[in-house]
Amino acid sequence: EAGVAQSPRYKIIEKRQSVAFWCNPISGHATLYWYQQILGQGPKLLIQFQNNGVVDDSQLPKDRFSAERLKGVDSTLKIQPAKLEDSAVYLCASSTPQGRYEQYFGPGTRLTVT
Amino acid sequence: AQSVSQHNHHVILSEAASLELGCNYSYGGTVNLFWYVQYPGQHLQLLLKYFSGDPLVKGIKGFEAEFIKSKFSFNLRKPSVQWSDTAEYFCAVRGSGTYKYIFGTGTRLKVLA
Repeated sequence: EAGVAQSPRYKIIEKRQSVAFWCNPISGHATLYWYQQILGQGPKLLIQFQNNGVVDDSQLPKDRFSAERLKGVDSTLKIQPAKLEDSAVYLCASSTPQGRYEQYFGPGTRLTVT
Repeated sequence: AQSVSQHNHHVILSEAASLELGCNYSYGGTVNLFWYVQYPGQHLQLLLKYFSGDPLVKGIKGFEAEFIKSKFSFNLRKPSVQWSDTAEYFCAVRGSGTYKYIFGTGTRLKVLA
């Protein structure tokens, strides 16, 4: 089975610019997660979708971050405007209740804000 | 509030040495517990998980973990490490009945050949 796909793999932008990341989960996985992983830290959940509804976005900086999951499949995460502290790896993961919520991770997008 | 602590940030072992990585969590209810591993250049992947039943769970590649409820711990063990176990290991907690995963800060393991 195909894994979680993410693009781009790397992105370098200047502060105050905007950026978008794309994620395609494993087919049939209803739950999709976006994480931010800053160097030296564990992944921090930004937002979780169940199908196309938001389950948890309590740690999403909503003044600059937004995410959507149209039609309950692909998802995009946007940052506008970016700050230096947004430099991190952005991970997408998906899971299914039948799999006891084991998460399958994509390769991540490494964002550098200069 | 839910939290996860991994006390060892960097561990260096020789091949055939035994491994134990600590993980303690804070949560006021039933939890699901996970260990994920990230090998160099690869995605995060599940090593093992605990949902209920036998507190000693076995995962891939000879790893096991023991859930000790009274200590709020879920330590990862392997009797004899190999060079190929060099990776970063993350403990994660999901409160049963909630949706949120909380990850620890990770332990970077280096195994010397």
